[in-house]
Amino acid sequence: DIQMTQSPSSLPASLGDRVTITCRASQDIGNYLRWFQQKPGKSPRLMIYGATNLAAGVPSRFSGSRSGSDYSLTINSLESEDMAIYYCLQHNEYPYTFGAGTKLELK
Amino acid sequence: EVQLQQSGAELGKPGTSVKLSCKVSGYNIRNTYMHWVNQRPGKSLEWIGRIDPANGNTIYAEKFKSKATLTADTSSNTAYMQLSQLKSDDTAIYFCAMGPFDYWGQGVMVTVSS
Repeated sequence: DIQMTQSPSSLPASLGDRVTITCRASQDIGNYLRWFQQKPGKSPRLMIYGATNLAAGVPSRFSGSRSGSDYSLTINSLESEDMAIYYCLQHNEYPYTFGAGTKLELK
Repeated sequence: EVQLQQSGAELGKPGTSVKLSCKVSGYNIRNTYMHWVNQRPGKSLEWIGRIDPANGNTIYAEKFKSKATLTADTSSNTAYMQLSQLKSDDTAIYFCAMGPFDYWGQGVMVTVSS
């Protein structure tokens, strides 16, 4: 199975900060990488697909990038509504696998 | 507007089975895969498997091959997941999602307790 190593597990940040979350894939997954945001008691929400593409309705302060087997989600100018847990997902091959999650919280 | 409506919370005794449903509106499930994911309390998301409703073809994660059974009824545009031989470790929220994960159901809590 492909392992998705996500870091950090917890990320304290202040409003207005720029933050980056990273997932490293244990095997080649091409650009079959998605990022999700999950708030307490809610379903995950798709934020980024194809490693770098913004999903519909997602604010432009969110962006995705790739460097080799490292995939990153960056949020520019953090807003209070961005506080949530973020997960990556590889869907290049079965079984699909998620990262362990990053909890973004106010410092 | 695409919506996935899941059935209500379940309380099951150890050793029994439960069947969850996921009714899709706004999109024909024949044209997509339906996935199921779980989330144990305070934990990450875990992919269980997927079904192609057009032909019933299924793929499961290894650990769920004897636990979950995925089916779909295209006439009612509904996907189902049966969980068998319930154990306390199966206590989790279960989500359905339309593939790959553009749209999600609201999730259903399954609690296994005697």
